[in-house]
Amino acid sequence: DADVTQTPRNRITKTGKRIMLECSQTKGHDRMYWYRQDPGLGLRLIYYSFDVKDINKGEISDGYSVSRQAQAKFSLSLESAIPNQTALYFCATSFKNYNEQFFGPGTRLTVL
Amino acid sequence: KNQVEQSPQSLIILEGKNCTLQCNYTVSPFSNLRWYKQDTGRGPVSLTIMTFSENTKSNGRYTATLDADTKQSSLHITASQLSDSASYICVVRLLDSGTYKYIFGTGTRLKVLA
Repeated sequence: DADVTQTPRNRITKTGKRIMLECSQTKGHDRMYWYRQDPGLGLRLIYYSFDVKDINKGEISDGYSVSRQAQAKFSLSLESAIPNQTALYFCATSFKNYNEQFFGPGTRLTVL
Repeated sequence: KNQVEQSPQSLIILEGKNCTLQCNYTVSPFSNLRWYKQDTGRGPVSLTIMTFSENTKSNGRYTATLDADTKQSSLHITASQLSDSASYICVVRLLDSGTYKYIFGTGTRLKVLA
């Protein structure tokens, strides 16, 4: 079984719809991250969480919100999706000061 | 501004050939540099990590070098295989106001042809 899973893997939605992307991990890591990847751009950090009660905005948090329901679960929500949120979204985890990030398989989101 | 630039953007080589990918960064204060491999449709997977004091690190056919003075790193792939076809991403970690942050390069897309 994959250590970091994301659901759904693909999603097509319409402008204005609310969307939730989910991430689960079995690695026992305390830190979780949400990134988006666009063609020609590096991965950009949306939100990150160092534990259940610690959530922080990344460089591009506008239009997104997150929820850390448990140590193993971190959800990303788009309250009202817009076309420029069309991208590949990755969840990642890491363990405290051990800095390697482990990435999920990604969710391809298309907003029409 | 903290930036990571990679070159070339894309590269096509024949199977069995060697290649070198470049990463230049203007990140400060530098903590470490990591190379990731990202297969199409998959999440990035770590290949190597290098700290300030390390010049070279190998992982099988992958060898990374770091010159902290010139702020350059390279990833050398020896005897390429078809499975090396992927994007290679350079990521630099810095310490900013007590928190570690990651700056991602845009990647080099490598295609290995039979």
